[in-house]
Amino acid sequence: DAGVIQSPRHEVTEMGQEVTLRCKPISGHNSLFWYRQTMMRGLELLIYFNNNVPIDDSGMPEDRFSAKMPNASFSTLKIQPSEPRDSAVYFCASSPGRAQTEAFFGQGTRLTVV
Amino acid sequence: GNSVTQMEGPVTLSEEAFLTINCTYTATGYPSLFWYVQYPGEGLQLLLKATKADDKGSNKGFEATYRKETTSFHLEKGSVQVSDSAVYFCALIGGSNYKLTFGKGTLLTVNP
Repeated sequence: DAGVIQSPRHEVTEMGQEVTLRCKPISGHNSLFWYRQTMMRGLELLIYFNNNVPIDDSGMPEDRFSAKMPNASFSTLKIQPSEPRDSAVYFCASSPGRAQTEAFFGQGTRLTVV
Repeated sequence: GNSVTQMEGPVTLSEEAFLTINCTYTATGYPSLFWYVQYPGEGLQLLLKATKADDKGSNKGFEATYRKETTSFHLEKGSVQVSDSAVYFCALIGGSNYKLTFGKGTLLTVNP
């Protein structure tokens, strides 16, 4: 299996622009997570899907952030409009069960908003 | 709520030195405990885990023992290699909470 696949690996955008990050989970995994990693705040869970349904989005920082999972093999995280403080590495992870054990992480998308 | 505290880095060692990274936790019930490793430019990978008290997780020469009496899960390795240079994260899932709670990570650098 290719593992969790994220795209793009790097994204540089101007403040105010829309940014869309993409994730393909491991086939057969029914839980998907979006994390944000910064030096200041470490790893933060943004949102959790189970069977394509958002279960907990309490970590989404504000309305500028939205996430979708239209099917079991694809998810997006969108930021609109983007701000410099959104600069971070965004990780997608998937796991085979409801409980978040043995989560498998993608390589991340490094977002820079200038 | 659940929380994980791990020793702050960076930790710098010479090859073949002994490694300990301390991790303590606060959680309700009986959490499962994990160590994840993040190599430069990559995502997190599960290194080892333990799901109940006194369990010892081990992988790639790393070990950690679930100590409920001290609420600790310290990571150890007897002889580190340059290739072990990475950031190490302690994490837990506690009770009915499905969320992985991470520590802030410890950067390990191993010099030849």
